[in-house]
Amino acid sequence: KQEVTQIPAALSVPEGENLVLNCSFTDSAIYNLQWFRQDPGKGLTSLLLIQSSQREQTSGRLNASLDKSSGRSTLYIAASQPGDSATYLCILSSARQLTFGSGTQLTVLP
Amino acid sequence: NAGVTQTPKFQVLKTGQSMTLQCAQDMNHNSMYWYRQDPGMGLRLIYYSASEGTTDKGEVPNGYNVSRLNKREFSLRLESAAPSQTSVYFCASFAGEQFFGPGTRLTVL
Repeated sequence: KQEVTQIPAALSVPEGENLVLNCSFTDSAIYNLQWFRQDPGKGLTSLLLIQSSQREQTSGRLNASLDKSSGRSTLYIAASQPGDSATYLCILSSARQLTFGSGTQLTVLP
Repeated sequence: NAGVTQTPKFQVLKTGQSMTLQCAQDMNHNSMYWYRQDPGMGLRLIYYSASEGTTDKGEVPNGYNVSRLNKREFSLRLESAAPSQTSVYFCASFAGEQFFGPGTRLTVL
C-alpha cells in the first residue's frame, strides 16, 4: 500500500527566503505526482504536475522535482512571499489509486 | 470550461435530516471522487466512480450513498445526517491529473 509523508508538517520562514518542501512515498510505481496549495477555508489549487517519466516541472518561482528511485519529490519555492502562505499537499496517482500526503503548512512572515 | 462545480457551498443540517451534495464536471472525465476533509485528518476518500454507472467504496463510506447517473454528475447523499459528518466535502475528477471542486462546508447540529 502506497504511503505518502510530507515533512515538515509546518514551516515558518521570513519573506524572501528560498525554501524546500518534501514529499516521500513508498511505492515508485506511480503515474504522476501533483503539488497543490490550499488556502484556509478554500479549495485545492493545482500548482504543478510531474509525470512519471519526468524529472522536474517549473512554473514561475516554483520548481518541483521527482526522483522515483529514492521515493522523493521536492517543491522548491524561490524568494518566498507572504502570499505563499498556505498548506501544500502532494498527491500521487497510481493504478486505480490516489494517495495524499498530510500537507505542509507554510507561513511566510513579512 | 467550468471544471468541477459543487452545490451547495454551505449547508447546515439538524441531526437526522437528509441532503444530497451535487457535483458536476464538464471535462468528459471518467473518474470522479468524493472526499471529506477534517482538521488534522487530511483528505479521506468516501466513494469513487471509475465510470458512468459504477461506484466503489473508499476509506470512509459509512453513512453515505452515491449516484453516478451520467458521465457529468456524481452526487453524494446523507440519508440521516450525524454531527460526525460535519466536514468539508470535496468532489474531484481525474484524467491523468486531479481536478477539485471548490468544496461544500457542511455543519450538522
